[in-house]
Amino acid sequence: GQQLNQSPQSMFIQEGEDVSMNCTSSSIFNTWLWYKQEPGEGPVLLIALYKAGELTSNGRLTAQFGITRKDSFLNISASIPSDVGIYFCAGQYSGTYKYIFGTGTRLKVLA
Amino acid sequence: NAGVTQTPKFQVLKTGQSMTLQCAQDMNHNSMYWYRQDPGMGLRLIYYSASEGTTDKGEVPNGYNVSRLNKREFSLRLESAAPSQTSVYFCASSDIRDRQPQHFGDGTRLSIL
Repeated sequence: GQQLNQSPQSMFIQEGEDVSMNCTSSSIFNTWLWYKQEPGEGPVLLIALYKAGELTSNGRLTAQFGITRKDSFLNISASIPSDVGIYFCAGQYSGTYKYIFGTGTRLKVLA
Repeated sequence: NAGVTQTPKFQVLKTGQSMTLQCAQDMNHNSMYWYRQDPGMGLRLIYYSASEGTTDKGEVPNGYNVSRLNKREFSLRLESAAPSQTSVYFCASSDIRDRQPQHFGDGTRLSIL
């Protein structure tokens, strides 16, 4: 089945560093969502984007809806140990109720 | 404000047994979804219900059935469980028309021996 290309697959960073990850698709999306999943839990919504070019922040997290509508980016500033987890992007096509998920970026923060 | 509630949280079955996973949401969302997540992989859509009274196949529907019991509840049934269905199952709900993004439950961890 189709999945989004999400990169990088994993990251090991030092506490205090900034993090960037992205998702790309061959198709145009109407909505981009970013989730964080911790072990043993369900994905938790971080940011929702609905318009090309939109830039939205949630605390230290900032996400952007790419102008081409085929990509999205998530940045985390000044990372802390509790940022550890797997980050997923998800896109929704126009005219459908389905979401397509990326394969995830596994983030580890070294104190 | 519970959001999306899944039961049970854990279950072990023998091959060939049947089971129903339950999901309920209290956000008044129209759409509900069932996903499975396998180790190291993202989420794959099994079935979804765009609105009460409708259900549609997702990416991996074989071996599963669903019932949209009412607006709040969406159940997933395994009629004859197989080891390949060992996975973590997540239910989610959303309301695209109202720009309510998808929210997930905490999952059901299912092992089939």
